Amino acid sequence: DIQMTQSPSSLSASVGDRVTITCRASQSISSYLNWYQQKPGKAPNLLIYAASSLQSGVPSRFSGSGSGTDFTLTISSLQPEDFATYYCQQSYSTPRGTFGGGTKVEIK
Amino acid sequence: EVQLLESGGGSVQPGGSLTLSCAAPGFTFSSYAMSWVRQAPGKGLEWVLGISGSGSRTYSADSVKGRFTISRDNSKNTLYLQMNSLRAEDTAVYYCAKDSRGHYDILTGYNYFDYWGQGTVVTVSS
Repeated sequence: DIQMTQSPSSLSASVGDRVTITCRASQSISSYLNWYQQKPGKAPNLLIYAASSLQSGVPSRFSGSGSGTDFTLTISSLQPEDFATYYCQQSYSTPRGTFGGGTKVEIK
Repeated sequence: EVQLLESGGGSVQPGGSLTLSCAAPGFTFSSYAMSWVRQAPGKGLEWVLGISGSGSRTYSADSVKGRFTISRDNSKNTLYLQMNSLRAEDTAVYYCAKDSRGHYDILTGYNYFDYWGQGTVVTVSS
């Protein structure tokens, strides 16, 4: 099974900060990597698919990069509505797409 | 408008059974694969079962294999999750999720969950 490791598990940041979240796969997954945002009590919401493609309707301050085993989600200027938990998910072994453990972004 | 409307959650004793439903109006249901993803209290996301758009292929995580079954009725635009031999560790919010494609061939594209239901809570406790 492919394991997905996110870091950090949590971070504190201020509005306007640039935030970077990392996701590492236990084996190469090419560009089969998705990112989701989840707010408390709500379902996850797709942000990025295929490592770097922005889902329709998602603000352009979100971007994704990487391939192989190392991936990054970047929020260029953190907004109040961005405080949430972010999950990566590999789809290389779809439908058995493993999720990372999540990164909680909190207000500093 | 795509909607995914789960129902059927509740409390059940260990060893019991429960069936979840996910009504899916607003898109051509039979054209898309579907999955169930769960989230235990305070924990992360876990994919548990998937089914192709036609319903001909199903897949399950090892944690639920032999106990949970996914199915769909394309004439009713509804996805199902039959859960048997429930354990305390199955306690979670269960989400149905729409896949981006009808199948799982990575050579022809990318799969991702572009729509999610609101979730239904399953509690397994004596």
